[in-house]
Amino acid sequence: KNEVEQSPQNLTAQEGEFITINCSYSVGISALHWLQQHPGGGIVSLFMLSSGKKKHGRLIATINIQEKHSSLHITASHPRDSAVYICAVSFQGAQKLVFGQGTRLTINP
Amino acid sequence: DAGVTQSPTHLIKTRGQHVTLRCSPISGHKSVSWYQQVLGQGPQFIFQYYEKEERGRGNFPDRFSARQFPNYSSELNVNALLLGDSALYLCASRLGANQPQHFGDGTRLSIL
Repeated sequence: KNEVEQSPQNLTAQEGEFITINCSYSVGISALHWLQQHPGGGIVSLFMLSSGKKKHGRLIATINIQEKHSSLHITASHPRDSAVYICAVSFQGAQKLVFGQGTRLTINP
Repeated sequence: DAGVTQSPTHLIKTRGQHVTLRCSPISGHKSVSWYQQVLGQGPQFIFQYYEKEERGRGNFPDRFSARQFPNYSSELNVNALLLGDSALYLCASRLGANQPQHFGDGTRLSIL
């Protein structure tokens, strides 16, 4: 069983729809990261959070430490949001990130 | 300021050969991590270096090695290449332990 599970694996939506991607993890963490990966391969860090909620533009990330669950929301989705969204966690005392398998998001015009 | 830069961007090798991938972190970042991303999967941690010392190693065979130089740039070396080593190799740097990682665009390695 992966330490980090994402759902859904694939998501197709129409432009303007509200998008939610979920991430669950199995043990206590020091921080959770949401990352965006475009087809070329480069990864961009969207959020790093250890509690509560963060917002940047149309993106919102929330985390529930007790439930070991995080969500990434995209409001008013746009075709340029099409990418793979990856959840990753870091553990206390560990140097590495552990990644989920990613959610491939396609927004159709 | 330049982001994390990796070279080369693409590389084709044959089985049994060795390869060296290079990474320059963001200026001021002393921590560099390497990840392997096989097609369709999330990245897997290979190594982390901080101040030229190895601080973490993932579950990869000894064919994989790395080092960090005094200017904090890093090299990932893979010997005796196998077909399964075909992947996108990502380098990431960060300023400190509780800071986000900044990723390069990766080196896409294909083994024939």
